[in-house]
Amino acid sequence: AQSVTQPDIHITVSEGASLELRCNYSYGATPYLFWYVQSPGQGLQLLLKYFSGDTLVQGIKGFEAEFKRSQSSFNLRKPSVHWSDAAEYFCAVGGAQGSQGNLIFGKGTKLSVKP
Amino acid sequence: EAEVAQSPRYKITEKSQAVAFWCDPISGHATLYWYRQILGQGPELLVQFQDESVVDDSQLPKDRFSAERLKGVDSTLKIQPAELGDSAMYLCASSRAGRAGNTIYFGEGSWLTVV
Repeated sequence: AQSVTQPDIHITVSEGASLELRCNYSYGATPYLFWYVQSPGQGLQLLLKYFSGDTLVQGIKGFEAEFKRSQSSFNLRKPSVHWSDAAEYFCAVGGAQGSQGNLIFGKGTKLSVKP
Repeated sequence: EAEVAQSPRYKITEKSQAVAFWCDPISGHATLYWYRQILGQGPELLVQFQDESVVDDSQLPKDRFSAERLKGVDSTLKIQPAELGDSAMYLCASSRAGRAGNTIYFGEGSWLTVV
């Protein structure tokens, strides 16, 4: 069965510092992978997605993620965090070709940013 | 930018009462999803529609939850009777088609508190 693990429940970083949020997935084939961000009380906004090809994916707001098949990981990174990045981040896995497109989400990592 | 519209944003209801949520997906999106997000968790799929047909409702508690998308456009999710454990955010989402890799766009959610 598909699953997503986000090992860090809560991370605090200083403004201007770099950020890496971890995501590990379990899936029989190469999945489609997504990162979403959720501000308090709001819906989810797509940051980036990986389908195939280049394993380093660029997204919005200066985020990037790297797919590592050997580690079953899809970690999210940002070189310099801004206070407005404080939010909850969800990694999600979607099925391979032929699936119905539904997503399985991790439990999320809450990011706090220190001034 | 087109958005997924949901209402109401916030609802407080007493245990055993009925409650309903409405969703209008992005125009032209054939696939509509209802997710439930319990505080501190990632979203979990309740039901997925392709046009007016249900394609996945395996996680929908059918004894108390119902969902419909009669004309293949907007949708209603109903809970009757509501229980304390139903307190959560109910997220509606849509995509162009229910195929692997299609981007899923989320609404801002409907917060339900059952007292």
